[in-house]
Amino acid sequence: EVQLQESGPGLVQPSQSLSLTCSVTGYSITSNYWGWIRKFPGNKMEWVGHISYSGSTNYNPSLKSRISITRDTSKNQFFLQLNSVTPEDTAAYYCARTAYYSYIYDSWGQGVMVTVSS
Amino acid sequence: EIVLTQSPTTIAASPGEKVTITCRASSSVSYMYWYQQKPGASPKPWIYDTSKLASGVPNRFSGSGSGTSYSLTINTMETEDGATYYCQQWSSTPPTFGGGTKLELK
Repeated sequence: EVQLQESGPGLVQPSQSLSLTCSVTGYSITSNYWGWIRKFPGNKMEWVGHISYSGSTNYNPSLKSRISITRDTSKNQFFLQLNSVTPEDTAAYYCARTAYYSYIYDSWGQGVMVTVSS
Repeated sequence: EIVLTQSPTTIAASPGEKVTITCRASSSVSYMYWYQQKPGASPKPWIYDTSKLASGVPNRFSGSGSGTSYSLTINTMETEDGATYYCQQWSSTPPTFGGGTKLELK
């Protein structure tokens, strides 16, 4: 059974970088698509971006200048870096996997709450 | 990007009642996906490719729609169905989510 686990700091200073790790067990990240999704206070959900089975990336245009998603296949992990954060980046960040049979996200991590504040 | 508008925002239903949640897209999409989320938990896949139930989803749920109008229906509301439901499209990038519909037990 695949399991995803996010990790990273819960508090980030404005203008600094947010760095999160998604550790995957039970399934190789060299298959499917692996995404980051965030949920803001107030329940709005936003797709942040993804990295594919081949290592190619696709980002939300609203974040494109600030974001980088990378991976380490030897550790079966992928990473999110979001630069120049503001309080508007405060959200719960989830990593997730697309299904092999559809583009629905069929497995999710438990999420990590990140607050941007001084 | 495609904007998804869910209605209603909040709904209260009694056990046994039929419930319908609507998701309208600003442009035509090929498929709609639905998730269920309960407080403190991550979203769960609920309906994929518009009408197919994800693993473990009770068959009192159904999905339908095409073009710009999609819906999730619960044939007979049960207590455990109280949650927030989100629609999502990926017919164009970026994938986008609806604002969510909170379903409460009356």
